[in-house]
Amino acid sequence: ETGVTQTPRHLVMGMTNKKSLKCEQHLGHNAMYWYKQSAKKPLELMFVYNFKEQTENNSVPSRFSPECPNSSHLFLHLHTLQPEDSALYLCASSQEGAGLELNEQFFGPGTRLTVL
Amino acid sequence: GQNIDQPTEMTATEGAIVQINCTYQTSGFNGLFWYQQHAGEAPTFLSYNVLDGLEEKGRFSSFLSRSKGYSYLLLKELQMKDSASYLCAVMDSNYQLIWGAGTKLIIKP
Repeated sequence: ETGVTQTPRHLVMGMTNKKSLKCEQHLGHNAMYWYKQSAKKPLELMFVYNFKEQTENNSVPSRFSPECPNSSHLFLHLHTLQPEDSALYLCASSQEGAGLELNEQFFGPGTRLTVL
Repeated sequence: GQNIDQPTEMTATEGAIVQINCTYQTSGFNGLFWYQQHAGEAPTFLSYNVLDGLEEKGRFSSFLSRSKGYSYLLLKELQMKDSASYLCAVMDSNYQLIWGAGTKLIIKP
């Protein structure tokens, strides 16, 4: 148990569906991340929120829409996805700040997404 | 561009020692991380190196050479539970983590 939870753990959706992934961190961190993990590929950083403000958006298609209502919760809203979006979606959190040498990220267990 | 290279897969025997290498080319360097990820589970932090040299933590050690853009993770007295993927990641000048594709380690009895 790393203090970061994600729901659902598994999701199957059609290309016309709308769904949301949820992440919650219980560590008091001020930064949260969405990653996409595909087989045999590096983790792809999708979005970063620092103090609830989005600071990174790595050219992610608009069919992925993040939402960070507070520093403990992070959502990823999905609509009109493509089969190539099937992957493991990981949420992570960390404590960011000046003078912190080690910005270790704590990961949730991920949501295994399959787009039909 | 930024790049992290590590072997795709390695096999080792229970009780033995294995070294997983990682080479990197990044814009700036603010530390190198190793994470362990068991199948179907979250990556978990193993080690962090920001200065050259060896960091030892129990059965696991991590080495860094900044001049060579090189790190390795050394696992001693291998156990079956060490079967997992090992991810190398470098924090660049923007404090963004650049990830390798991971090395799948298979431990045989």
